[in-house]
Amino acid sequence: QQQVKQSPQSLIVQKGGISIINCAYENTAFDYFPWYQQFPGKGPALLIAIRPDVSEKKEGRFTISFNKSAKQFSLHIMDSQPGDSATYFCAASTFGDSWGKFQFGAGTQVVVTP
Amino acid sequence: IAGITQAPTSQILAAGRRMTLRCTQDMRHNAMYWYRQDLGLGLRLIHYSNTAGTTGKGEVPDGYSVSRANTDDFPLTLASAVPSQTSVYFCASSDPPSGTGVYFGPGTRLTVL
Repeated sequence: QQQVKQSPQSLIVQKGGISIINCAYENTAFDYFPWYQQFPGKGPALLIAIRPDVSEKKEGRFTISFNKSAKQFSLHIMDSQPGDSATYFCAASTFGDSWGKFQFGAGTQVVVTP
Repeated sequence: IAGITQAPTSQILAAGRRMTLRCTQDMRHNAMYWYRQDLGLGLRLIHYSNTAGTTGKGEVPDGYSVSRANTDDFPLTLASAVPSQTSVYFCASSDPPSGTGVYFGPGTRLTVL
């Protein structure tokens, strides 16, 4: 049973549009929520991450919104570009001994059309 | 260039054969991990090591073993491969005390026939 549920499975967005990917988690002990970006044939690469003490974190065109009470977090890609076409994974873990032992979502394939 | 290397890049293996996937990192990270990636399931943790000399089981450890003789290397062994172990395997590392991210290697694509 996946502890982190991710939606949608795939997403097509026009260049310049906004891509939104949602994740929901079960374990209230999770306190670290990263997003990873993966291109075909490559390993996942850390994109942006958030701790539950803030509700939003922005890095360039990428923003994480976090709702602790709803146990949900989302990734917004603003002004989407063709180079953003990739698979995106949300994940969750705890600090301490469980650091790095992620529960991953199933992934969202994002295609940005020119 | 600092990072994680994995070998082989890909492998086709007959069921019942033994196989070791190699992983080396040069970032002097204490913690290392093995994940498998399957379509529709995301990445799942197989085994981990918080520091050299220690290992632990992840979410899907059955059929796999690991060792951590030193900081840099973390091999994953399939003692007797089965078709359900067909997957893409990623090694990762991190430096927990610093709270920085977890870095992934390029992966090994394994097909068990």
